[in-house]
Amino acid sequence: GESVGLHLPTLSVQEGDNSIINCAYSNSASDYFIWYKQESGKGPQFIIDIRSNMDKRQGQRVTVLLNKTVKHLSLQIAATQPGDSAVYFCAETLSGGSYIPTFGRGTSLIVHP
Amino acid sequence: SQTIHQWPATLVQPVGSPLSLECTVEGTSNPNLYWYRQAAGRGLQLLFYSIGIDQISSEVPQNLSASRPQDRQFILSSKKLLLSDSGFYLCAWMGLGETQYFGPGTRLLVL
Repeated sequence: GESVGLHLPTLSVQEGDNSIINCAYSNSASDYFIWYKQESGKGPQFIIDIRSNMDKRQGQRVTVLLNKTVKHLSLQIAATQPGDSAVYFCAETLSGGSYIPTFGRGTSLIVHP
Repeated sequence: SQTIHQWPATLVQPVGSPLSLECTVEGTSNPNLYWYRQAAGRGLQLLFYSIGIDQISSEVPQNLSASRPQDRQFILSSKKLLLSDSGFYLCAWMGLGETQYFGPGTRLLVL
């Protein structure tokens, strides 16, 4: 698939800035969405999720926004820190479906001190 | 709490040699299990998934195979490795909540 073969887009920010990572999902019927963080050499780590009956959900320093009209998902990281440097993936799932999430391309976040 | 283990963490193998990567999950029953491969700087490619013991679905035809001999054990194998099999292999599980959780990964280098 497309997410497998292409190099990852990169977002560079300064420490302390807010970061916004975007994801366009493909299936308008998808009703569950997840953001993962993958540090170099490690497996993806769950950050935050959101169901389609919500348009915003907040965690610790992170906020996920869902716009179903345009099939867009975003992850906002407040006061970005060097430890936030990683690749961020979004995933979409259809409840009761095949239980195979569809992953986005991933975005490499680089935080400069 | 649930945990997922993968081993080995790193593996260097010659072309043509066999492969066996193991994944085990603790703290849950009857999970869906998945094998992904990730090339450097790339996204996740689903290789196999399993909804139960001895129930394996293949997503990408290649020289790899998977087996699930026990409920919480998922094994990725190959009889003869190719150079193109090099990559980062990730095992994941999913419970009732539809959230996938990933293991630490195995980095495979085929020379």
